[in-house]
Amino acid sequence: GENVEQHPSTLSVQEGDSAVIKCTYSDSASNYFPWYKQELGKGPQLIIDIRSNVGEKKDQRIAVTLNKTAKHFSLHITETQPEDSAVYFCAARRNWGKLQFGAGTQVVVTP
Amino acid sequence: EAQVTQNPRYLITVTGKKLTVTCSQNMNHEYMSWYRQDPGLGLRQIYYSMNVEVTDKGDVPEGYKVSRKEKRNFPLILESPSPNQTSLYFCASSLSGDEQFFGPGTRLTVL
Repeated sequence: GENVEQHPSTLSVQEGDSAVIKCTYSDSASNYFPWYKQELGKGPQLIIDIRSNVGEKKDQRIAVTLNKTAKHFSLHITETQPEDSAVYFCAARRNWGKLQFGAGTQVVVTP
Repeated sequence: EAQVTQNPRYLITVTGKKLTVTCSQNMNHEYMSWYRQDPGLGLRQIYYSMNVEVTDKGDVPEGYKVSRKEKRNFPLILESPSPNQTSLYFCASSLSGDEQFFGPGTRLTVL
């Protein structure tokens, strides 16, 4: 089955700097790659997603890149702000319904 | 307000005492899923359902049961809970199987 690895597990950045989280997946047939943000005490919330027919997608300060050949995808957050502090999860899906998540990255943005 | 609700939010129980965690969504979503979240392991899918009376196993289904008799409800049943099922549980729903809307979580402790 699908296996998703996520790095780093924790990331501390200075406010205004960029943050990058990387994920690799094992199943070359995976075709959908979402990123979720989880704030303390809440359920995860989708922040951006990308499909396998697209190499990059951007939404304001966040962007996701996908390299199908290398089977990895990354989340980029620019101009980080304190409200970006949260746990971020990547995920990959091959078949409709089965979503495999990474272990998560705790991002801390320090003023 | 469009939402996924879970009850109870917190539960402390003892080994072997059957329990049910309810999940309900008011968005008329076809797809619903249960996850457990454990430190360092991310979110792992327990069961998912693509429609009424259609359910399938996720990655960690052992010790759990589900049912989908109505579109809006997807209860998670632990027939004989054990301490290794102590975890944070999330229910999620989705219209298309892409963006998932998560509930607030249920923190379960099995003594």
